[in-house]
Amino acid sequence: GESVGLHLPTLSVQEGDNSIINCAYSNSASDYFIWYKQESGKGPQFIIDIRSNMDKRQGQRVTVLLNKTVKHLSLQIAATQPGDSAVYFCAESSGSARQLTFGSGTQLTVLP
Amino acid sequence: DGGITQSPKYLFRKEGQNVTLSCEQNLNHDAMYWYRQDPGQGLRLIYYSQIVNDFQKGDIAEGYSVSREKKESFPLTVTSAQKNPTAFYLCASSSRQGIETQYFGPGTRLLVL
Repeated sequence: GESVGLHLPTLSVQEGDNSIINCAYSNSASDYFIWYKQESGKGPQFIIDIRSNMDKRQGQRVTVLLNKTVKHLSLQIAATQPGDSAVYFCAESSGSARQLTFGSGTQLTVLP
Repeated sequence: DGGITQSPKYLFRKEGQNVTLSCEQNLNHDAMYWYRQDPGQGLRLIYYSQIVNDFQKGDIAEGYSVSREKKESFPLTVTSAQKNPTAFYLCASSSRQGIETQYFGPGTRLLVL
């Protein structure tokens, strides 16, 4: 079946560096993508989303890039801070039901 | 202060017991969802409701039941038929206009005694 997956389960970066978290999807009909941040023991927090008619969208310190040709999504975090340490999930949506399918997550650890 | 609340934060279930997890939202959202999260894994959809008095099974509905009598509330019952209930349960909601953008509550951790 269709799935959303992440390339790396863990990512460690130095404080102040930029982080890039990748996500691959297999459903070519997916037309909406969303990134969530989940801190330990808490619910996922919306970060940024993008529709398939765009290839880039920027927020505060975050940028999402969408490459529909290779079905790849990435989240870039600029000047990574200790508070950015969390699990990051991508999710995709398609079809009339508009349900989200979630990846398994990437643990981002920010090193001092 | 708008948002989604879940209670309790921790819940203990004895074998053979049904337990109910509460989810309330004051965002005026039409759609509500229940997900299960196991350690190191993504979210799996249990049930969802797009309108009051209507709900649909998700991918892992067996052993669970829900009701949607009010727009603000979407309680989840974990029945004794759910043999492996230990997990982190997350409730979410979304508006009709932006139905894909789901906003999550803080979660309830269910543990079996």
